[in-house]
Amino acid sequence: DVKVTQSSRYLVKRTGEKVFLECVQDMDHENMFWYRQDPGLGLRLIYFSYDVKMKEKGDIPEGYSVSREKKERFSLILESASTNQTSMYLCASGPGRLDTEAFFGQGTRLTVV
Amino acid sequence: DAKTTQPTSMDCAEGRAANLPCNHSTISGNEYVYWYRQIHSQGPQYIIHGLKNNETNEMASLIITEDRKSSTLILPHATLRDTAVYYCIVRVRGADGLTFGKGTHLIIQP
Repeated sequence: DVKVTQSSRYLVKRTGEKVFLECVQDMDHENMFWYRQDPGLGLRLIYFSYDVKMKEKGDIPEGYSVSREKKERFSLILESASTNQTSMYLCASGPGRLDTEAFFGQGTRLTVV
Repeated sequence: DAKTTQPTSMDCAEGRAANLPCNHSTISGNEYVYWYRQIHSQGPQYIIHGLKNNETNEMASLIITEDRKSSTLILPHATLRDTAVYYCIVRVRGADGLTFGKGTHLIIQP
């Protein structure tokens, strides 16, 4: 089974802190994605990557950056966390640009206080 | 990506077939229909996808109308664990990212 693992299930950070959310997949997938999910707004794409060191902005990249130094790992970075970034963050991976069945991690519920 | 319309919520009795409709009247010829579901407090889970023909796998069946303007996801023998939000997504295979709408909250009643 494909496994997408997010480093934390729950996280509480202070406003202004730099926050790292880590995601690792074990299926050698090219594509990796970061979404956030908020009540009433559904899932929204923040950033994605289709290769090592490649990144593309999604629909809501402001306030975030990403890093993909190795194929299996995709990190989401909040440079200076703010309360409006309190959300559920979901990482996903998929097997390549021509094949889009994405597999999701369990999510990280981030609270910024 | 084509827009989809799904009912907000549906109920189904345990053991019966759950039929979840999705309208996608503006779908293009090269757009696929994908279904995902999200059980409470978990990440979304891929279920099935199709282009024109009906599809079946171990989880569900997907029926796409001949004009491709609507589809139905069928869970043949619903269990309580099938209670979840079901998302119908229409997109070009190979495109980047997935656009999730509000989905249908399916509640399986004992």
